[in-house]
Amino acid sequence: GQNIDQPTEMTATEGAIVQINCTYQTSGFNGLFWYQQHAGEAPTFLSYNVLDGLEEKGRFSSFLSRSKGYSYLLLKELQMKDSASYLCAAVDSNYQLIWGAGTKLIIKP
Amino acid sequence: GAVVSQHPSWVICKSGTSVKIECRSLDFQATTMFWYRQFPKQSLMLMATSNEGSKATYEQGVEKDKFLINHASLTLSTLTVTSAHPEDSSFYICSARPSGRDTGELFFGEGSRLTVL
Repeated sequence: GQNIDQPTEMTATEGAIVQINCTYQTSGFNGLFWYQQHAGEAPTFLSYNVLDGLEEKGRFSSFLSRSKGYSYLLLKELQMKDSASYLCAAVDSNYQLIWGAGTKLIIKP
Repeated sequence: GAVVSQHPSWVICKSGTSVKIECRSLDFQATTMFWYRQFPKQSLMLMATSNEGSKATYEQGVEKDKFLINHASLTLSTLTVTSAHPEDSSFYICSARPSGRDTGELFFGEGSRLTVL
């Protein structure tokens, strides 16, 4: 079956760095997305990886290893506004998104 | 570009009534749109895939006669919650995939919060 695993909740300190991991098992693979979702709002796009390696975009970076079925989202210089849920979603062979349950990130001062 | 508008943002209705939610892609065409439901403190749950000009594909456990989906044009999909009950109260979100794009990237509407009294 198809499956996405990511931690349920993580806590980090303002100004620090946090890495949110995601492992996936899908029928075929056409890329992996990371979305940020604040409570009560729709998800917003953060990153898309289809090739192995690290994609850096400001304070956020996303890494993909296709051979390991593994991705992570790295958030640097954490700000209080980064408190949100972070959703990992893999694209299968039919271009359907398979969603993880999301990781709730709590930022403490 | 790639804006998806969802309307209404908030709706309160009485039990037994029907509610229609619209999802529009404003600056692109979308052959495929998706409808999700999200209960408090839970992840997005895909309800159905809406394809322009054909019947929607519903996920297991989603009643197609209760959640009517119409995708009559390349820029509009509607979700109608028929005979709504309090347990249907939720955050409903749509997303659209631009036609002709292979990446699978989706653009989300703002979401519609439904409260059934």
